[in-house]
Amino acid sequence: AQTVTQSQPEMSVQEAETVTLSCTYDTSESDYYLFWYKQPPSRQMILVIRQEAYKQQNATENRFSVNFQKAAKSFSLKISDSQLGDAAMYFCAYRSAPGTASKLTFGTGTRLQVTL
Amino acid sequence: GAGVSQTPSNKVTEKGKYVELRCDPISGHTALYWYRQSLGQGPEFLIYFQGTGAADDSGLPNDRFFAVRPEGSVSTLKIQRTERGDSAVYLCASSLRPASGDTGELFFGEGSRLTVL
Repeated sequence: AQTVTQSQPEMSVQEAETVTLSCTYDTSESDYYLFWYKQPPSRQMILVIRQEAYKQQNATENRFSVNFQKAAKSFSLKISDSQLGDAAMYFCAYRSAPGTASKLTFGTGTRLQVTL
Repeated sequence: GAGVSQTPSNKVTEKGKYVELRCDPISGHTALYWYRQSLGQGPEFLIYFQGTGAADDSGLPNDRFFAVRPEGSVSTLKIQRTERGDSAVYLCASSLRPASGDTGELFFGEGSRLTVL
């Protein structure tokens, strides 16, 4: 079974600064998806960024980018130019085998605070 | 609909009562998932449907929990003889059928918060 570990329960960043959230995972599969989801107080999980394991290039979405290290099974999220609206819970998630409707496995989350 | 819709948004019940939570997925999404999220935790998988059938129900904690999706669209999560430990947010998500271009992304609703007194 796959596991996802987020070792930072809470992180804090000043507005306009950069912060990196850590995630490691364990799997024996060679092809899979990795995701970062944001969960504001409204409870709805919002996709921030996704990475396909077969792609060596790190995914980027505007101020959000990942550092995907497949051999190390590491998938960190970098938020640049942090904004007050970035404050939320962030969850790293793993999904097996593209092309099958398999479940997402989540980490325990990191609460991000953004200060002025 | 435009997004995944879950009702009720909040439900307060007494220990021992029966509860139903409803999920209406995005139109055209054949895969539907239920997750449970306890306070301060990540979502835990309960069950997923591909069409009308439960493709994986390995996350259901015990036989008090049951889910159906009779017409391959709306799903209902049913909890019998509720216990205080069932208090959590129940999240529903949907995704496209893989053969039609599944990007891997799950689309979530806002969840149903269940409180068992």
